[in-house]
Amino acid sequence: QSALTQPASVSGSPGQSITISCTGTSSDIGGYYYVSWYQQHPGKAPKLMIYDVSNRPSGVSNRFSGSKSGNTASLTISGLQAEDEADYYCCAYRGTTLSWLFGGGTKLTVL
Amino acid sequence: EVQLVESGGGLVQPGGSLRLSCEASGFTFSSYWMTWVRQAPGKGLEWVANIRQDGNEKYYVDSLKGRFTISRDNAKNSLYLQMNSLRAEDTAVYYCAGNHNWRFDPWGQGTLVTVSS
Repeated sequence: QSALTQPASVSGSPGQSITISCTGTSSDIGGYYYVSWYQQHPGKAPKLMIYDVSNRPSGVSNRFSGSKSGNTASLTISGLQAEDEADYYCCAYRGTTLSWLFGGGTKLTVL
Repeated sequence: EVQLVESGGGLVQPGGSLRLSCEASGFTFSSYWMTWVRQAPGKGLEWVANIRQDGNEKYYVDSLKGRFTISRDNAKNSLYLQMNSLRAEDTAVYYCAGNHNWRFDPWGQGTLVTVSS
């Protein structure tokens, strides 16, 4: 199973907004609303930030938002803060193979 | 407190076997699909396998089929991953996670498996 495609890195200054894209196919992102996003700080376990494309779990800041258009999902972080610096992974269900795919990860640097 | 605690990782020789465990607490384990996800050093996340609440439905990443087996014991609130014929490329941190309502949450802290002679 091929991974979903994410940019390797993005950066932004405190207070700015950034968007991370995640491109798949019609068999995964394009075919289902089961897209989630995870934040991972160095040496830590991943943390769920967005599920079902655009829903936030309780306790996650409303500065984090998700969307989808066609075969591409996006994570937007507004009002960047130093604590947002981390790796971010998208994840989607692929119905044709009954499997889950992760993106390659995007390293967010807060300048 | 919702918690997943993995154990069983360590150093193993190529061709060897290892059984990972994951003990759950603070939530109704028997109501959750459960998943193993791994992360090679410096690399991204890779979904490995998942298992239905009753243990009767299991799915694996294609590249691992036949070498790894996922199982669970709801009476012990525990998830397992039996890994056979291990290779250097299996070296990774292995995380267990709840796979409920089409998302992965909660996550354990991970256990490191190193395959090396």
